[in-house]
Amino acid sequence: AQTVTQSQPEMSVQEAETVTLSCTYDTSESDYYLFWYKQPPSRQMILVIRQEAYKQQNATENRFSVNFQKAAKSFSLKISDSQLGDAAMYFCAYLAGGTSYGKLTFGQGTILTVHP
Amino acid sequence: SAVISQKPSRDICQRGTSLTIQCQVDSQVTMMFWYRQQPGQSLTLIATANQGSEATYESGFVIDKFPISRPNLTFSTLTVSNMSPEDSSIYLCSVPSGSGTEAFFGQGTRLTVV
Repeated sequence: AQTVTQSQPEMSVQEAETVTLSCTYDTSESDYYLFWYKQPPSRQMILVIRQEAYKQQNATENRFSVNFQKAAKSFSLKISDSQLGDAAMYFCAYLAGGTSYGKLTFGQGTILTVHP
Repeated sequence: SAVISQKPSRDICQRGTSLTIQCQVDSQVTMMFWYRQQPGQSLTLIATANQGSEATYESGFVIDKFPISRPNLTFSTLTVSNMSPEDSSIYLCSVPSGSGTEAFFGQGTRLTVV
């Protein structure tokens, strides 16, 4: 079975600074997708960034980028120029290609606090 | 992307009662997923709702406690039955993208059992 591990229950960052959230996963699949979701107090799960395992290039979305190390099964999220609105719970998630069809496995989550 | 409407957004219920949560999608989808998020915890998959067949439950979840209906390709309900305070959680429905390589979520239902 696939597992996703986030070893940082809480992280904090100063506004305008950079922070990196860690995630490791375990799988025997070769076709899979990795995600970072943001969950603010509103409960809504917001997709931050998506990475296809077959792509060597790291995904980027504006201030958000990932460091995808396939051999090490590591998938960290870097938030640059942190803003107060970035404060939320962040979840790393895994989706196996093929038969999983949208079924996600989540890490434990990291609470990010942004200090003004 | 899919637009998902989940109702109610929150509720406070008495122990021993049941609550039905609705999830409406703006497009037809083959599968719908129901997750539970206990306070301060991660999301755990309860079951997969398939149209025209019984839902598939994950280990630790049973149909008597979490009956699911899926009458058509755009709608599903999850019932939390005979509730206890331990059922206090956020419940979220999710649907896959057309390629199955992405997932979209409803707004979540925050349930408090007193």
